Amino acid sequence: DAKTTQPPSMDCAEGRAANLPCNHSTISGNEYVYWYRQIHSQGPQYIIHGLKNNETNEMASLIITEDRKSSTLILPHATLRDTAVYYCIVRVALNFGNEKLTFGTGTRLTIIP
Amino acid sequence: EPEVTQTPSHQVTQMGQEVILRCVPISNHLYFYWYRQILGQKVEFLVSFYNNEISEKSEIFDDQFSVERPDGSNFTLKIRSTKLEDSAMYFCASSTGMDNQPQHFGDGTRLSIL
Repeated sequence: DAKTTQPPSMDCAEGRAANLPCNHSTISGNEYVYWYRQIHSQGPQYIIHGLKNNETNEMASLIITEDRKSSTLILPHATLRDTAVYYCIVRVALNFGNEKLTFGTGTRLTIIP
Repeated sequence: EPEVTQTPSHQVTQMGQEVILRCVPISNHLYFYWYRQILGQKVEFLVSFYNNEISEKSEIFDDQFSVERPDGSNFTLKIRSTKLEDSAMYFCASSTGMDNQPQHFGDGTRLSIL
């Protein structure tokens, strides 16, 4: 499984952009990067995913470097509700559409009022 | 927006007893998963399930665990004889399995073994 490395914690001021980095230097050419977050003890919440192009949705933007060895999740205008643990995951595709997500320890993002 | 629902939210069981955790996946999803998270630790993959069969299971998913899709809507995780170390949050997830669509998770069942 491709391993990911994330800083254990980050702070961001409310209203500012939160930029969460992730290294995945052993990623294979057809492996996707997924981002999830976990607020307190709730279930992981899907945020965004990408292969090699930058992606944007209503929650966030994902910037993937050209060599695909790292990526950055951007929350454009962080709010207090964005305080959570953020996981960068390289998805392992199994057979016939099955897959396995291997969670690391993630980055604990704290939004400061 | 459709969501994965899990019941109960909290289950307290005596050690050695059987427990069944229930999940209702998103209705058009075909792939189902269980994960667990021991307090303060990582979220760990347990098992994936498709077409009424286990597709992949982890080392954690030993003979004490089983999964079933008893009808068209429910997906269950059974622990046959619970141990203290089974205390954890158990999360169900589902996905379409198509076009790299993500897994969607429920809010979990907190299992406490006494």
